[in-house]
Amino acid sequence: SQQGEEDPQALSIQEGENATMNCSYKTSINNLQWYRQNSGRGLVHLILIRSNEREKHSGRLRVTLDTSKKSSSLLITASRAADTASYFCATDSFLPSGSARQLTFGSGTQLTVLP
Amino acid sequence: EAGVAQSPRYKIIEKRQSVAFWCNPISGHATLYWYQQILGQGPKLLIQFQNNGVVDDSQLPKDRFSAERLKGVDSTLKIQPAKLEDSAVYLCASSSRDSSLAQYFGPGTRLTVL
Repeated sequence: SQQGEEDPQALSIQEGENATMNCSYKTSINNLQWYRQNSGRGLVHLILIRSNEREKHSGRLRVTLDTSKKSSSLLITASRAADTASYFCATDSFLPSGSARQLTFGSGTQLTVLP
Repeated sequence: EAGVAQSPRYKIIEKRQSVAFWCNPISGHATLYWYQQILGQGPKLLIQFQNNGVVDDSQLPKDRFSAERLKGVDSTLKIQPAKLEDSAVYLCASSSRDSSLAQYFGPGTRLTVL
């Protein structure tokens, strides 16, 4: 089952604009991660935010986490054509047995940045 | 540092045939994951290994899928017999510990079942 759900499913913007993607989840988490996937490629890790953090920055990326609302957002500033990709949020939580952790991915946002 | 290697990159088979995928994780990474990604969806975890032991295989269709990680290094995922709905990209990932840290993904194997 997929815990995280991204919104919007697709986003098209002009180069130089900011892109915001949202992720909602259902159960308690240890951390939340964002990944990028270019067409036909594997996923690339972008950023990880722990459950006790509210905001994190990495270059042109800004991630927020609101555990009370069970939601996160990814902001890409000054977007470039090379940012065109699918973006997935993934939640790290304990398995029901409590013995291990697993990462559960959402369905993704397809971002298109037009030159 | 070499990334996660997977082979083959593409595979086309008829339904009811068998197929195997191979993965070599980043050197020193204890945890290895196999994911299934159906077109338009996010990856779904099939099985997770810690060294050569299975941590979680609750979403692995065990009647047709099997996986092993001998010697705690590379791994193979097998489907026998394949069904049409198994058409997907099979992604292998590794991490140095568990999902408390980033996972590093290979390029994936695109499987088409006709």
